[in-house]
Amino acid sequence: QKEVEQNSGPLSVPEGAIASLNCTYSDRGSQSFFWYRQYSGKSPELIMSIYSNGDKEDGRFTAQLNKASQYVSLLIRDSQPSDSATYLCAVNHQAGTALIFGKGTTLSVSS
Amino acid sequence: DTAVSQTPKYLVTQMGNDKSIKCEQNLGHDTMYWYKQDSKKFLKIMFSYNNKELIINETVPNRFSPKSPDKAHLNLHINSLELGDSAVYFCASSQLRGTGGSGNTIYFGEGSWLTVV
Repeated sequence: QKEVEQNSGPLSVPEGAIASLNCTYSDRGSQSFFWYRQYSGKSPELIMSIYSNGDKEDGRFTAQLNKASQYVSLLIRDSQPSDSATYLCAVNHQAGTALIFGKGTTLSVSS
Repeated sequence: DTAVSQTPKYLVTQMGNDKSIKCEQNLGHDTMYWYKQDSKKFLKIMFSYNNKELIINETVPNRFSPKSPDKAHLNLHINSLELGDSAVYFCASSQLRGTGGSGNTIYFGEGSWLTVV
C-alpha cells in the first residue's frame, strides 16, 4: 500500500515568516513529487514539482527532495495571508499512473 | 477557456437515486481520472482511464461506474446513492509520458459537490 504522510496541522506562522511543510512517502520507487495548494471550496492547483534530489526554487517557494530518506518538503518564504490554504503533497510512482495524495497540511498565515 | 470542466458543480439528491457527473478536458491529454475528496479533505483516486481504456480501478463499490466515450471525456455514474457517497468528486487529466522522472502533472476540474440526503 503506497502511502503519503503529512502533518495535518494547522501550521500557524506570522506574516513574513518562513513556513515549512513536510511529507514522507512509503514507496521507495516513487519518481515524481508534487505540491498542490487547495483553498477552501476550490480545486487543488499545482505549485511545484520536483523529480531529483536537492532543492528546486520558484519565487517564494522551494521544494526539497531526499529520496534516500523518502522525504519531500515545501518552504514558503515571506509568507502572506493569501498563502493560507491546505497544502497537499502528492507522489507518483510511475508516469501515467495516478498521483497518491497525502491528507494535507493546513497553513494559516496571520497578519 | 476551462481546461477540465465538470458538471454539475452542485448536486443534492436522495438516497437510492442514480446520478451522473460529466467531465471534459480540452488539453489534449491522454489520461483522465476521478478523485474523491471526503469531509476530512482526503483526496483519493477512484479511477483512471488512458485513451478510453480503464487502467486504474481502486477499491470502489461497483455502484460507481466510469465511462469514457473518447479520450476527452470521462463520466461517472453512481447507482443507488448512499449517505456515505456525499463528497466532492474531482475530475482530472494528465498527459501520459514515459518513465524517467519527467513528471505527470495532473490538472483538476473545479469539483462536483455531491450531497446525499
